[in-house]
Amino acid sequence: DTGVSQNPRHKITKRGQNVTFRCDPISEHNRLYWYRQTLGQGPEFLTYFQNEAQLEKSRLLSDRFSAERPKGSFSTLEIQRTEQGDSAMYLCASSFLSGPSAEQYFGPGTRLTVT
Amino acid sequence: GNSVTQMEGPVTLSEEAFLTINCTYTATGYPSLFWYVQYPGEGLQLLLKATKADDKGSNKGFEATYRKETTSFHLEKGSVQVSDSAVYFCALRNNAGNMLTFGGGTRLMVKP
Repeated sequence: DTGVSQNPRHKITKRGQNVTFRCDPISEHNRLYWYRQTLGQGPEFLTYFQNEAQLEKSRLLSDRFSAERPKGSFSTLEIQRTEQGDSAMYLCASSFLSGPSAEQYFGPGTRLTVT
Repeated sequence: GNSVTQMEGPVTLSEEAFLTINCTYTATGYPSLFWYVQYPGEGLQLLLKATKADDKGSNKGFEATYRKETTSFHLEKGSVQVSDSAVYFCALRNNAGNMLTFGGGTRLMVKP
């Protein structure tokens, strides 16, 4: 399967703990996106990378959130000092091109539950 | 800023019924418009797209026409199947930006 993969698929953590998620994009894609989806809502943009450069961050991405894409391949999203409000599905997507025709392919997501 | 509004669900239909899910948007410039589908337990999949006014996107019997005059991109299907049961998301991408802006999603339930 050469689609976008995310690990872990599920994570349960206690409030105050740090968590890290990983996304492996489709291999030739140079753009990688992170979104957050809360229950019953549509996904909301968090940040995106072009190769290893983080080019845009949403206001949703507080100081407790950090994302990296060190070699322009996989990416990690870390949440420090988790809060119950961080409980959500974290989605990763990748694309090859930018512009009107670029299609973003989504991974299955990591579901985070903060207790 | 950009925003997408779609009809709230759930929408419950009998098999072979006609489907319409309304979607309207607010954006600057000329955005590209998308419909994504999320089947139970699966990730988001692109269903169809349109990149300019009056374009019609179509896939798997679903259609949507980019209407700039009414800022709408309504999803239609002539005859739904039980297997179409899923959550449908309307989304836009402004050509000046890169991220997708999604609506809240509409759950469709099709009964045999």
